[in-house]
Amino acid sequence: GQSLEQPSEVTAVEGAIVQINCTYQTSGFYGLSWYQQHDGGAPTFLSYNALDGLEETGRFSSFLSRSDSYGYLLLQELQMKDSASYFCAVSGGGHQKVTFGTGTKLQVIP
Amino acid sequence: EPEVTQTPSHQVTQMGQEVILRCVPISNHLYFYWYRQILGQKVEFLVSFYNNEISEKSEIFDDQFSVERPDGSNFTLKIRSTKLEDSAMYFCASSVDRASTDTQYFGPGTRLTVL
Repeated sequence: GQSLEQPSEVTAVEGAIVQINCTYQTSGFYGLSWYQQHDGGAPTFLSYNALDGLEETGRFSSFLSRSDSYGYLLLQELQMKDSASYFCAVSGGGHQKVTFGTGTKLQVIP
Repeated sequence: EPEVTQTPSHQVTQMGQEVILRCVPISNHLYFYWYRQILGQKVEFLVSFYNNEISEKSEIFDDQFSVERPDGSNFTLKIRSTKLEDSAMYFCASSVDRASTDTQYFGPGTRLTVL
């Protein structure tokens, strides 16, 4: 089966940089995704890594190390609107199945 | 920008009743999914659907659940006899390509409350 571990909560200051880590165990692995979810809202795709290394999309970057079964999401120049839950998710154990992590609740403070 | 839509936004039902949750995926997408999220918990995969058949399902997706694409646009999730523990937010998602290689776009969700 699949399991993913993330910190449950992170607090950071507006304008700062924050890193949210994710470690995973899977029976098969195709890639690691990151989703943002505001309270009461739907998950919104942020990034996807299939290969080792860093992917950058604006203020958000995501990193993957397949050998370490580890990835992280890096948020730069934090804004108050970045306060949300962030989920890592792996596609593995089948091409059509995505398993989400437990989520990290990010609180951005002034 | 095209988006996934879901109806109703909130459904209240009595235990033991059947419910049908509806979704309209993005029109050129080929892969469809249902997830649920119990309040305060993580998003859980239920089922994926491609080429008019279930391609994968989780342990949660037992005989009480079924999915259907009755026409060219709708994608439905039916729960035959609802239980209290079925109370959750149900999200539909769709993607152009298979989940292992492509972004999934989520609908706004249907909040199901079973009394």
